[in-house]
Amino acid sequence: DAGVIQSPRHEVTEMGQEVTLRCKLISGHNSLFWYRQTMMRGLELLIYFNNNVPIDDSGMPEDRFSAKMPNASFSTLKIQPSEPRDSAVYFCASSLPPVADTQYFGPGTRLTVL
Amino acid sequence: AQTVTQSQPEMSVQEAETVTLSCTYDTSENNYYLFWYKQPPSRQMILVIRQEAYKQQNATENRFSVNFQKAAKSFSLKISDSQLGDTAMYFCAFMKPNTGNQFYFGTGTSLTVIP
Repeated sequence: DAGVIQSPRHEVTEMGQEVTLRCKLISGHNSLFWYRQTMMRGLELLIYFNNNVPIDDSGMPEDRFSAKMPNASFSTLKIQPSEPRDSAVYFCASSLPPVADTQYFGPGTRLTVL
Repeated sequence: AQTVTQSQPEMSVQEAETVTLSCTYDTSENNYYLFWYKQPPSRQMILVIRQEAYKQQNATENRFSVNFQKAAKSFSLKISDSQLGDTAMYFCAFMKPNTGNQFYFGTGTSLTVIP
């Protein structure tokens, strides 16, 4: 069974450009988490969804960040406009509460904003 | 709020030796789950081991085992017979059930296995 799929794996863009990161959940999972990892701040939860509904977006840095789940298996994280301080590795993870408590992570997207 | 503390930013161990990574957490909950994740240079986050708080028996997965001390809110990871492939960042995580599986991660411990 395929794991969590993220695309692109690497993204380099210029300040001010729009960036869209994509995530496909493991089949049957219904919770989706977006994380950001930096050296300075470690692993931060940005937002999570349960059954396509955003449950907690208090970790989203500012209005430039938005996340959607247009269907049960797919999510996007958009940054518009992007800034150099957004450079980080972005992970998504999925799980199936309460049957399975473990979160399964995708391979991450390394974003560099010049 | 739940907090997870990993007080060892970096550790090293000789190949084939045993190493213990520490993790403490703060919660008022009685029922919860604890995890150790491994992040090698490939960046992939890999589940190493999990522990349910209601179970007194320490979880074990091959060379990996935990020492779960609920009263002390401590959850250390022991790696036996360390291998070069164990070199990675290790993250301790706390999860409270019925919260949509929201995790709280520690800051990580960078482990280097020396040949």
